[in-house]
Formats: sequence, C-alpha cells, structure tokens
Amino acid sequence: DTEVTQTPKHLVMGMTNKKSLKCEQHMGHRAMYWYKQKAKKPPELMFVYSYEKLSINESVPSRFSPECPNSSLLNLHLHALQPEDSALYLCASSQDPRGLGETQYFGPGTRLLVL
Amino acid sequence: AQSVAQPEDQVNVAEGNPLTVKCTYSVSGNPYLFWYVQYPNRGLQFLLKYITGDNLVKGSYGFEAEFNKSQTSFHLKKPSALVSDSALYFCAVRDGNAGNMLTFGGGTRLMVKP
Repeated sequence: DTEVTQTPKHLVMGMTNKKSLKCEQHMGHRAMYWYKQKAKKPPELMFVYSYEKLSINESVPSRFSPECPNSSLLNLHLHALQPEDSALYLCASSQDPRGLGETQYFGPGTRLLVL
Repeated sequence: AQSVAQPEDQVNVAEGNPLTVKCTYSVSGNPYLFWYVQYPNRGLQFLLKYITGDNLVKGSYGFEAEFNKSQTSFHLKKPSALVSDSALYFCAVRDGNAGNMLTFGGGTRLMVKP
C-alpha cells in the first residue's frame, strides 16, 4: 500500500482565518514533505521532516507552520494567508530520508482558496 | 546545482501511436531520475525511476524510460498511447552529490486524441 491521505480535499478561508491541513501515511516512512503547486506548474518544496524533525524549510513565510506530531502524521497550520497562497498543497512521504533513490509518494492534495 | 528540463510544454499524439515525452537533466554527481503523472485536480502518481543498472526502465501502465548518460536524457515512452494517458507529466532528478532534494521539470501536457 502506497497511500498518502490528505484532508480536507478543498478549503476556502479568509485572510484572518486559522486553519490546518492534515496528512497521514501508514507505510512506516520516516520522511514527510509539504509542497505547494500552482496551476500547470511543478510542485515547489516547502518543508521536509526527517524522523519527525524539521530538516528543511525552503524560506517559507511564517504564516505557514508545519508540525509533525508523530511518524505517521504531518500538519500544516495556516494563519493570515494571502490570496496568492491559493494553490494545491501536496503532502508526500518516502521511506528513508537519507536514501537518494527513495521514491516520494504523494497524496491527492488539498485545494486551498484564500479570499 | 541540479536541474531538469522538459523542452515541450505539450505533446499531441493519436491513440495507438507511440509517444515520447522528453526530459534532460544536469547534475554534478550520479543522477537519480523519476517520472510522475498528474491527472486534473489530483496528486502526483509515481510511474518509474532510474537508480542504477539497465538503462531501460519499465514502469506502471506500460510506460518505460531510457536513461542516456551521454545525452543526459531520460525520455518517457509508451509503444501505444491511450486516450486515458492524457495528463501532465513531470520528470524529476535527485543529485547524488546534493542531498535529498528532488527537483522537478516544468511539466509536459500529453494530449492523446482518439
């Protein structure tokens, strides 16, 4: 089973709202990722967690706050977003954070619209 | 720095004909190459990867890719295209000298017409 699940599928929020995106995998993967994807563009890496610790933050604004409560769960907390943050947010996981040949498996994404 | 180029924004092919989606890469170390497909409003779905070994890699749904070190290419191929293959395809590379970052190409839209 190579399934990564994400909730919610769609989210509409105002610029003053606080919301969270959730990601879950039960494959025993120890690396988890958040990507942002604009329409017809490749995914852009936001954060990487290795063994539940934040290892990469690609200079993401502080209005995005990641959290990894355990090895199966990854959250992305959103606060005071801007309309330009509207995008598809993808979660991914891979087995070994150190493995160069490791495949990243992606979830279906959360389509976020900021009004 | 690692980089990936997909020179064609869109590829059009008739159903039943062979298809090729092109990808070239640039790395300083050994390349680890991946192909993903994305259907509308969906996440990326893994198709195949090259790590080492045979230059011809076979993947899901009848797709295959050929690693060519001298041309630094990793083109995706399928002998007979299906309408259902119409989607957005991404090539990605990880540089053996540059850690665990995966770099994606800009994507190629494949349109298969009946």
